[in-house]
Amino acid sequence: DGGITQSPKYLFRKEGQNVTLSCEQNLNHDAMYWYRQDPGQGLRLIYYSQIVNDFQKGDIAEGYSVSREKKESFPLTVTSAQKNPTAFYLCASRVTGTNEKLFFGSGTQLSVL
Amino acid sequence: KQEVTQIPAALSVPEGENLVLNCSFTDSAIYNLQWFRQDPGKGLTSLLLIQSSQREQTSGRLNASLDKSSGRSTLYIAASQPGDSATYLCAVNQYRDDKIIFGKGTRLHILP
Repeated sequence: DGGITQSPKYLFRKEGQNVTLSCEQNLNHDAMYWYRQDPGQGLRLIYYSQIVNDFQKGDIAEGYSVSREKKESFPLTVTSAQKNPTAFYLCASRVTGTNEKLFFGSGTQLSVL
Repeated sequence: KQEVTQIPAALSVPEGENLVLNCSFTDSAIYNLQWFRQDPGKGLTSLLLIQSSQREQTSGRLNASLDKSSGRSTLYIAASQPGDSATYLCAVNQYRDDKIIFGKGTRLHILP
């Protein structure tokens, strides 16, 4: 089945720890996105990438880092500099183009211990 | 800076009613607008995508319209069912940087 796989589904972070959220897609999509969702809120863009080895900051990139070494993979690292990391993290992808639908993974819930 | 607003934030209606969800955006320089559905604790599912040159799109009981010049879109749901209960979000894909910006959503509850 084609789709976007996010792992783990639940993740716990200790103070001062970096954690990495995985996002893998087998849809052959060029563009990939990371969003953060807080309770009762919409989605806020963290980082996005339109081609391999290139990515751009979204609206709330501070405290996060990404890499795009392979077309299929776009991991997100939540660093210790992110002081309020508890949120639902969503990865998305789409074909590059002006009118292509966005597809989402099932999300990772990150909580602080 | 693009701002996307959805009204109302929450809505409860009896089963069988037709309803309208609203989305407005401040910068009309967009490629398209999408409507999504999100169930609790889940990812988003795309419902409809309207290109900037289009006025509306239909899928089953759903109809979405776009008035780009006034910065508005509506999602019309006909003959609502309890299974339609979810949060509905709209998002615009803006020209200048290809970002996709979301509203905060409308939480819909269909009463059996």
